[in-house]
Amino acid sequence: QKEVEQDPGPLSVPEGAIVSLNCTYSNSAFQYFMWYRQYSRKGPELLMYTYSSGNKEDGRFTAQVDKSSKYISLFIRDSQPSDSATYLCAMSLNTNAGKSTFGDGTTLTVKP
Amino acid sequence: DAGVIQSPRHEVTEMGQEVTLRCKPISGHDYLFWYRQTMMRGLELLIYFNNNVPIDDSGMPEDRFSAKMPNASFSTLKIQPSEPRDSAVYFCASSYLGRTTGNTIYFGEGSWLTVV
Repeated sequence: QKEVEQDPGPLSVPEGAIVSLNCTYSNSAFQYFMWYRQYSRKGPELLMYTYSSGNKEDGRFTAQVDKSSKYISLFIRDSQPSDSATYLCAMSLNTNAGKSTFGDGTTLTVKP
Repeated sequence: DAGVIQSPRHEVTEMGQEVTLRCKPISGHDYLFWYRQTMMRGLELLIYFNNNVPIDDSGMPEDRFSAKMPNASFSTLKIQPSEPRDSAVYFCASSYLGRTTGNTIYFGEGSWLTVV
């Protein structure tokens, strides 16, 4: 079993829909939780970063962490075609994000 | 800032040949990471450096893989000899663990390697 499991997708939604992307993990020592967006043939870019449990909002994006359930989510409101990408969750034990364990990614397509 | 710069962007080589991938991190960053991304295994950390010193190479798959960072602005990942199963996208990333920047790492656009 992988340390980080991500809903595989792919996911296809109409423009304006609310999108929910999810990951579960097994290592309770993870403290830092990230979401990356990766456009086709590009490198991942950090979208959201959360420490420990709770919610964090940035514009149309909300990241949720539930450490008791070992479950994290990324919500995208009013989804746009430009949100079409692969979303990777990542988790780390400490502030060294480069040592994160990544999920396999969920590919999202937002149709106009 | 130009971001993390990788070269070549695309490489097609024959099995058994040596492959050298290059990376220029963002100026001022003190961490450099090499990753490999495949459909089967996702994104995997191969090795990382702090202040040009290799810290953790536990992700390097075999002795055929080696990485160096001779100075703060340049790193190489070498595969010798290459095999078809090395075909993947190789990403370089850099970061600065400052108190204000926290946990942000910046990825290059990747080197797409095909070994035939």
